[in-house]
Amino acid sequence: KQEVTQIPAALSVPEGENLVLNCSFTDSAIYNLQWFRQDPGKGLTSLLLIQSSQREQTSGRLNASLDKSSGRSTLYIAASQPGDSATYLCAVRRNNAGNMLTFGGGTRLMVKP
Amino acid sequence: NAGVTQTPKFQVLKTGQSMTLQCAQDMNHNSMYWYRQDPGMGLRLIYYSASEGTTDKGEVPNGYNVSRLNKREFSLRLESAAPSQTSVYFCASKRGSANTGELFFGEGSRLTVL
Repeated sequence: KQEVTQIPAALSVPEGENLVLNCSFTDSAIYNLQWFRQDPGKGLTSLLLIQSSQREQTSGRLNASLDKSSGRSTLYIAASQPGDSATYLCAVRRNNAGNMLTFGGGTRLMVKP
Repeated sequence: NAGVTQTPKFQVLKTGQSMTLQCAQDMNHNSMYWYRQDPGMGLRLIYYSASEGTTDKGEVPNGYNVSRLNKREFSLRLESAAPSQTSVYFCASKRGSANTGELFFGEGSRLTVL
């Protein structure tokens, strides 16, 4: 059974800092991995989708990397801003799992002005 | 562009009552999903519909039924609500086939069962 872990569960940083959020998964036979952002009381917004054949994806100040063999992905946020404060979740789609995504528990990020 | 729209946003039920959560997407997506989100449990898939006319069980289907009314709409029904079904429910949709494409979420429906 695929298990997805995100550490730390919560993180507080001063504005302007570069930071890394971690996501690890137990079964490396994945099809893709997706990072989401969730604001309090809201739904999930897709940030980046990395296919298993890719090593990284970039969107603006966000960069996500994927190391399938070690079962890890990182989300790098450059020059953090208070508006980045949210919960960040990663989700993994296994090979042959079709429509089943397995989500991590999320990292709650607070960027202080 | 509305994306994925869920109704109602909030609902309080008594144990044993029934209700239907509605979901509609305007992105012409083939696949639609219902998840529940609980503290400490993350998001878990209840049911999904890979295409119009098909539905399949996810990880936690017990106590729920679904209907894929047409390509746009996918509803989730609780026939006899239980306190364990208190949760935030999210509908999502995806354009691609089973393994491809990004997932787009609605804003959630917060359900409390007393």
